[in-house]
Amino acid sequence: GAGVSQSPSNKVTEKGKDVELRCDPISGHTALYWYRQSLGQGLEFLIYFQGNSAPDKSGLPSDRFSAERTGGSVSTLTIQRTQQEDSAVYLCASSSSRGGRETQYFGPGTRLLVL
Amino acid sequence: GQNIDQPTEMTATEGAIVQINCTYQTSGFNGLFWYQQHAGEAPTFLSYNVLDGLEEKGRFSSFLSRSKGYSYLLLKELQMKDSASYLCAVRDSNYQLIWGAGTKLIIKP
Repeated sequence: GAGVSQSPSNKVTEKGKDVELRCDPISGHTALYWYRQSLGQGLEFLIYFQGNSAPDKSGLPSDRFSAERTGGSVSTLTIQRTQQEDSAVYLCASSSSRGGRETQYFGPGTRLLVL
Repeated sequence: GQNIDQPTEMTATEGAIVQINCTYQTSGFNGLFWYQQHAGEAPTFLSYNVLDGLEEKGRFSSFLSRSKGYSYLLLKELQMKDSASYLCAVRDSNYQLIWGAGTKLIIKP
């Protein structure tokens, strides 16, 4: 079956512009995560959606970042007034829990470059 | 604060065994994950531990001790393709994933 997909795969934008990143999780997965990874760095948690519960936004670095998940499936991460320090790979992951065993899958990521 | 510690870099020989350690201090515990990440690619899921003990999956095994806040990933019969970064992550009581910075594993012939 299809894995987690993300679009665009690469995005180059000018400082101050808004960008929107999309994530299509695996069908049936109730949990969806957004992370970012700067060059040579570990993964930084951004936001977590679980079913219909209110999302955990504790990782969002500033109010320029927001995310939504429509219909419990597709998610979009929006960065307003982009800054050069926003340049990173933005990764989306979805997970399901079957009989207590956790399986989590990552998308290929969106490479964002802010000039 | 919450913290995940793992060695920055390790070197091993093809065909040998290597153990990558991870220690954690988090607000609660709801499972520990190991991921493999090749340069320029997204991480891929390797293992998940929520109970103490050893989970074996082919050449890879993962161990957890919740009382010690400790896990390790054991890789046997190392192959050159195992050269990658190995990421340890812990899910806390809020179901937030706390990530380590990763261990870069270098395999030499």
